[in-house]
Amino acid sequence: DAGVIQSPRHEVTEMGQEVTLRCKPISGHDYLFWYRQTMMRGLELLIYFNNNVPIDDSGMPEDRFSAKMPNASFSTLKIQPSEPRDSAVYFCASSSRTARGYQTDTQYFGPGTRLTVL
Amino acid sequence: AQTVTQSQPEMSVQEAETVTLSCTYDTSESDYYLFWYKQPPSRQMILVIRQEAYKQQNATENRFSVNFQKAAKSFSLKISDSQLGDAAMYFCAYRTLRPSYDKVIFGPGTSLSVIP
Repeated sequence: DAGVIQSPRHEVTEMGQEVTLRCKPISGHDYLFWYRQTMMRGLELLIYFNNNVPIDDSGMPEDRFSAKMPNASFSTLKIQPSEPRDSAVYFCASSSRTARGYQTDTQYFGPGTRLTVL
Repeated sequence: AQTVTQSQPEMSVQEAETVTLSCTYDTSESDYYLFWYKQPPSRQMILVIRQEAYKQQNATENRFSVNFQKAAKSFSLKISDSQLGDAAMYFCAYRTLRPSYDKVIFGPGTSLSVIP
């Protein structure tokens, strides 16, 4: 398995531009998580999906951020318009249910997208 | 709410020596998962080891082992025979087994340096 795939790996954009980050979870995983990591705030959960449905988006900073999961193998995180304070590393992670039936197991992280907003 | 604390922002170890990274957590639950993740300079998050709270036996993965003290809510990571490639940020994480609550709570991390 290729693991969680994220693209692009690096993104440099100017303030006000739209940014779209992409994620392909591990095949068969039914949970997908978007995280943001900064020096100041550490690792923050932005939103997560279960079976393509957003379950908890309370970590999304503001309306400029939106996330979608149109199918089990693809998710996007969009920032529009982008601001310099959005500069961070954005991680996507996926996981599956355990053999015990109803809880998620280990999260597998992608390599991250380093976003720089000038 | 659950919290995860890593009291050592930075640690260093001599190559081939052993180092222990500390982690404590706060929860009122009896069943949960605990994890250690490694983040090297490449920034990718890599799972190092996992412990299920209902298992009394401490998890081990090659040179990595944990000391899980449930009553004390402590979950330390021991790295034996440290290698240069072990230099990274290490995150302790907690995950509840409560249904429909799937968030992982991460600690602030410990930066580990390995001295040749």
